[in-house]
Amino acid sequence: EAGVTQFPSHSVIEKGQTVTLRCDPISGHDNLYWYRRVMGKEIKFLLHFVKESKQDESGMPNNRFLAERTGGTYSTLKVQPAELEDSGVYFCASSQNSGGNTDTQYFGPGTRLTVL
Amino acid sequence: AQSVTQPDIHITVSEGASLELRCNYSYGATPYLFWYVQSPGQGLQLLLKYFSGDTLVQGIKGFEAEFKRSQSSFNLRKPSVHWSDAAEYFCAVGYTDKLIFGTGTRLQVFP
Repeated sequence: EAGVTQFPSHSVIEKGQTVTLRCDPISGHDNLYWYRRVMGKEIKFLLHFVKESKQDESGMPNNRFLAERTGGTYSTLKVQPAELEDSGVYFCASSQNSGGNTDTQYFGPGTRLTVL
Repeated sequence: AQSVTQPDIHITVSEGASLELRCNYSYGATPYLFWYVQSPGQGLQLLLKYFSGDTLVQGIKGFEAEFKRSQSSFNLRKPSVHWSDAAEYFCAVGYTDKLIFGTGTRLQVFP
């Protein structure tokens, strides 16, 4: 069974540009999560999809970030326009069950975003 | 507020030595606790989790962790470290629909 995949693995862009990150969850997993780790800090929750609906987007930093999950399969996270402080590693995770705090979340390898 | 503290940013051990990685949490109710590991170029892999019951939980790769409510701790242990254990380790608590992570501990293993 394929795990969570993310594309690209690395992205280097200039301040003001737009970047779109993609996540493909494990097949059959209704729950999809985005997290971010800024250099040296903890991994922080961004948002949670249940199928195509945003269940919780309390961690989204500002309106420059837009997440979508059309059709309830893969998800994209767009940053427009990117700022220097957006640099970090963006992780995607998926889970099968209720989406609650006992779910095991399976993580992808992350996308390392560098904004110059 | 819910939080997780991993006091050790970086730990170095010799291969074959024992290991203990510390994790303290702040959570108002019964915590659901997780340890994940990230090897270079890999995603976060679940090592073990605690929901209830026996406070000593066994995980993959020979790891175990002990939940101590009185100390608000969930330390990760391994009796004999292998060079392949070099990685970054994250402790997390489940809160509503999300995981709250500590800052991670990077483990270096010397031959």
